[in-house]
Amino acid sequence: GDSVTQMEGPVTLSEEAFLTINCTYTATGYPSLFWYVQYPGEGLQLLLKATKADDKGSNKGFEATYRKETTSFHLEKGSVQVSDSAVYFCALRTFGNEKLTFGTGTRLTIIP
Amino acid sequence: GAGVSQSPSNKVTEKGKDVELRCDPISGHTALYWYRQSLGQGLEFLIYFQGNSAPDKSGLPSDRFSAERTGGSVSTLTIQRTQQEDSAVYLCASSSPLGTKNTEAFFGQGTRLTVV
Repeated sequence: GDSVTQMEGPVTLSEEAFLTINCTYTATGYPSLFWYVQYPGEGLQLLLKATKADDKGSNKGFEATYRKETTSFHLEKGSVQVSDSAVYFCALRTFGNEKLTFGTGTRLTIIP
Repeated sequence: GAGVSQSPSNKVTEKGKDVELRCDPISGHTALYWYRQSLGQGLEFLIYFQGNSAPDKSGLPSDRFSAERTGGSVSTLTIQRTQQEDSAVYLCASSSPLGTKNTEAFFGQGTRLTVV
């Protein structure tokens, strides 16, 4: 079946540091890939997505590239801010089996 | 509607009582998902619907849990004889089918269930 493995947390960084949160997947078909974010006390919201190989999703300074050869979708940001503190979830949906499968989430804390 | 709506937003119930949680998806969304999130934990898949049918209900924790969807729209998650371990935030999401322009799932704000 489909599965998503993401970097264990929690992750603590200083403001303006470079961020990478690793995400790899296994899928029975051709997946679309997503990063969702959950800010403290708020609901889940989409951060970015990519629907085919080599696509790059980007939003709010975050980027992730769909790498079919390594089955990865790592999340990166060049300079994090305190306001980026949240829990980040990697997820996929596969055409024909449209269940949305999530990773376990990575809690990110940015300190000033 | 404009977004996924869940009700109630908070529910406190006594152990052993039944509860019903409601989800109104975005109009036109054919896929509907239920997840559970315990405090500080990740997302636990419960069930998903495509239209009114549930191709995957593998995540339902026990036969005390059931869900239905009618008219391809509103869904109800029912928990019978609630236990304290059922306390969590129950999240609903909806999406268009893959292959349409917007493939992401949109989440509601959740129902926080507390069993005392």
